[in-house]
Amino acid sequence: KNQVEQSPQSLIILEGKNCTLQCNYTVSPFSNLRWYKQDTGRGPVSLTIMTFSENTKSNGRYTATLDADTKQSSLHITASQLSDSASYICVVSESGRRALTFGSGTRLQVQP
Amino acid sequence: EAEVAQSPRYKITEKSQAVAFWCDPISGHATLYWYRQILGQGPELLVQFQDESVVDDSQLPKDRFSAERLKGVDSTLKIQPAELGDSAMYLCASSFRVQSSYNEQFFGPGTRLTVL
Repeated sequence: KNQVEQSPQSLIILEGKNCTLQCNYTVSPFSNLRWYKQDTGRGPVSLTIMTFSENTKSNGRYTATLDADTKQSSLHITASQLSDSASYICVVSESGRRALTFGSGTRLQVQP
Repeated sequence: EAEVAQSPRYKITEKSQAVAFWCDPISGHATLYWYRQILGQGPELLVQFQDESVVDDSQLPKDRFSAERLKGVDSTLKIQPAELGDSAMYLCASSFRVQSSYNEQFFGPGTRLTVL
C-alpha cells in the first residue's frame, strides 16, 4: 500500500528561527511530490511541486528538496514568521494514477 | 483570484439526519474532487469527477454517501443518515483536467461537519 510518512508530528519554534520538516514515501512509480500549507479551518494551499528530475524548489522562504533514490523530501522554512503557524502536508502522486497519497501533516507552531 | 467555493462552512447535525454540502469549482476546471479530513490526519479522497462522470469512488461509503455533478460544474455531496464517525472536514478541490505531472489541485475552504 502506498504510504507517506511525515515527521515530526508537531513542532514548536521561536519566531525568526529556521526549521525542517521531513517526508518519506513508498509511492511507486513516482510522478511528483507536493507540499501544501493548511491553516487551521482552511483548505490546503500548494507551496511547491517537484517531479522526479527536480532536486530542489523554492517559494520565498520555503525550500523543498527531493531525493527520489531514497524517497525522501524535506521542507525547509527560513526565518519563520508567526503566519507560518499551520499544518504542512506532503502529497505524493503515483505515475499513471489519478489519486494522490497524503501524509498526516506536521503541525508547526511559531511562537513570538 | 479564482477560488473554489464551498458551503456551508460549518454544519452541526444529529446522527441519523441527512446533510448536504455544495462545491463550486474554479471556472473551467473539468476535474472535481471531494475529500474527507479527520482532525490530525491528511485528506482522504472520497470521489473524483471528470466533467459530470465519476472516475473514482472506490473509497466512498456508498450505503450512506452520494455525490453528483449533474451539469459538470458544481457538485453536491450528501450523507444520509449521518453517523457520529462522519464528523470531519469535507474538502472540495478542482483541477484543470485529468491529473498530469504538473496538474495542480486547488482546494476550497472546506465544510466542518459535527455530528452529535
